[in-house]
Amino acid sequence: QVQLVESGGGVVQPGRSLGLSCAASGFSFSTYGMHWVRQAPGKGLEWVGVISYDGSNEFYADSVKGRFTISRDNSKKTLYLQMNILRPEDTAVYYCAKAPGGPNYYMEVWGKGTTVIISS
Amino acid sequence: QSALTQPASVSGSPGQSITISCTGSSSDVGGYNYVSWYQQHPGKAPKFIIYDASKRPSGVSNRFSGSKSGNTASLTISGLQAEDEADYYCSSYTSSATWVFGGGTKLTVL
Repeated sequence: QVQLVESGGGVVQPGRSLGLSCAASGFSFSTYGMHWVRQAPGKGLEWVGVISYDGSNEFYADSVKGRFTISRDNSKKTLYLQMNILRPEDTAVYYCAKAPGGPNYYMEVWGKGTTVIISS
Repeated sequence: QSALTQPASVSGSPGQSITISCTGSSSDVGGYNYVSWYQQHPGKAPKFIIYDASKRPSGVSNRFSGSKSGNTASLTISGLQAEDEADYYCSSYTSSATWVFGGGTKLTVL
């Protein structure tokens, strides 16, 4: 079955960097767009960004544009989120989600999330 | 990228029907049928229940239905059950090729 497993979360100081990974299994990873979505403690869902099936197109929320970068390695069936210049407001559970098509498709299957805490 | 507007909370008794609204603009909800809805139980990952405004994926109860009129999308849950108590989020594709979520609605089954 389709499975997404995020990893790489932890506690990081403001201004530093952190990279997250999302390991995919159970489907043809290289065929689908992939999203990152986050949820701050006690808050709602916030879309972070999306990457096309081949990595040729990426789109980001204004709140992370220029600081976060999404990439993928289709040979490893892995999605990445590189987060730079981290701020306390980036504290959240980060979910990766599979789209059933390109970047203009919804979040069909979600991972369980990984927790990122930005604190000095 | 302003969040879509949802009521903070709704409630209903078992067996009743409730509707959650999701209001955006012509740049998102009104401009595309790419509206989706998600259910999230406490401590769990979201689960998608409606896509393309009104389509229901296989495995999702037919008690869940979606619709859209102009800049407002709606999720209706009929025959409320205790297990429906959760947070519900709408999401829409936008003219900037991005996605935006609503603020979320907490459903309480009385």
